[in-house]
Amino acid sequence: ELKVEQNPLFLSMQEGKNYTIYCNYSTTSDRLYWYRQDPGKSLESLFVLLSNGAVKQEGRLMASLDTKARLSTLHITAAVHDLSATYFCAGFMDSNYQLIWGAGTKLIIKP
Amino acid sequence: DADVTQTPRNRITKTGKRIMLECSQTKGHDRMYWYRQDPGLGLRLIYYSFDVKDINKGEISDGYSVSRQAQAKFSLSLESAIPNQTALYFCATSEGGSADTQYFGPGTRLTVL
Repeated sequence: ELKVEQNPLFLSMQEGKNYTIYCNYSTTSDRLYWYRQDPGKSLESLFVLLSNGAVKQEGRLMASLDTKARLSTLHITAAVHDLSATYFCAGFMDSNYQLIWGAGTKLIIKP
Repeated sequence: DADVTQTPRNRITKTGKRIMLECSQTKGHDRMYWYRQDPGLGLRLIYYSFDVKDINKGEISDGYSVSRQAQAKFSLSLESAIPNQTALYFCATSEGGSADTQYFGPGTRLTVL
C-alpha cells in the first residue's frame, strides 16, 4: 500500500530565501504530482513527474523525482510572498489507479 | 467559465438528512473523482469513475454513494449525513494518458450539525 509523507508540514520563511519541501513515498509509484492550494481555494496542478531523474521548473519552483530513493522534492528559489500556499504531493498507485496524497506543507513567506 | 463546477458551494445540514453534491465539467474528460479534504489529512478519494458505466470505490466510500449521469456529470450523495462527514469536498476530472493530471473544482464546504 502506498503511503506518502511530506515534510515539513509547516514552513515560515523570509522572502529571498531558498528552501525545499520533501515528499517521501513508501512503495513504487510511476508518477508523482505536485499541487498548490491557496487558502479557501481549489487545488492547482504544478508538476507531474513521470520518470526517475525527472526535473521540472516553473518560475521559482523546481520539482525533481528520485524513484530509487522514493523521494520527490519541491525547491523554492528566492521565495516571494505570492508563493505562500499549501503544497501537496501525491503518488500514483498502479493497483487501483488512485492518487495517494501527502498531508500538505503550509508555506508562509514573510515580506 | 470554470471548467469544473460544483454545487452547492456551501451547505449546512442536520444529522440524518440526505445530501447531494453535484459536479459538472466542460473539459470533455472521461474520468471523474470525488475527494474529501480534512485539515492535516490531505485529500482522500471517495469514489471515482472512468466512464459512465464504470464506478469504483475509493479509500473512504462508506456512507457515500455516487451517480454518473453523463460524461459531464458526477454527483455524490450522503444518504444519512453524520457530523464526521463535515469536510471540504472536491470533484476532479482527468483525461487519462501517461500524465493523467487531475483538474479540480472549487469545492463544496459541507457542515453537518
